[in-house]
Amino acid sequence: AQSVTQLGSHVSVSEGALVLLRCNYSSSVPPYLFWYVQYPNQGLQLLLKYTSAATLVKGINGFEAEFKKSETSFHLTKPSAHMSDAAEYFCAVSVGGGTSYGKLTFGQGTILTVHP
Amino acid sequence: EAGVAQSPRYKIIEKRQSVAFWCNPISGHATLYWYQQILGQGPKLLIQFQNNGVVDDSQLPKDRFSAERLKGVDSTLKIQPAKLEDSAVYLCASSLDRRQSYEQYFGPGTRLTVT
Repeated sequence: AQSVTQLGSHVSVSEGALVLLRCNYSSSVPPYLFWYVQYPNQGLQLLLKYTSAATLVKGINGFEAEFKKSETSFHLTKPSAHMSDAAEYFCAVSVGGGTSYGKLTFGQGTILTVHP
Repeated sequence: EAGVAQSPRYKIIEKRQSVAFWCNPISGHATLYWYQQILGQGPKLLIQFQNNGVVDDSQLPKDRFSAERLKGVDSTLKIQPAKLEDSAVYLCASSLDRRQSYEQYFGPGTRLTVT
């Protein structure tokens, strides 16, 4: 079975500062990894995905994440935070095969606050 | 392209009552998912449909929850009777098919409060 752990339920940064949201996964087979963003009272929006191609993945809104197999990590970064980045971010893992095909397992989420 | 539609957006019921949620996926998407998101947690998959067949319902509390996807398009999730712990946001998502499951598109969700 796969699982995801997001380190830090709340992260606070100043506008213009580096954003780093941490995600570690557990999977017995090569995983697909995702980051989703959720704004208040809205559904989840896909930021970026890793599907076994390049280990450094670029997504929307200037976000990127790097897949590090040796560390079982998939941390999300953005060089310069913007006020509009304030939201909740979810890391998720998916593996293929059998009835688990396509099943997303989410972390508990990290709320990002951006201060002016 | 229209997104995933859900209704109602908000629902308040008393415990032991029943409730139903509706989802209309993106046109042409064969796979449909229902997730439960309890406050402070990530979404948890309740049930996954491929067309009108159930692929995975291992985490659906079948004594009170039921779901159907007649004709392989719209879907309805029902809770009967509701418990206090069912208070959550119920998210519907769809993807082109299971092999494109990483391209899941989410609806805005239905926020259920059970009092």
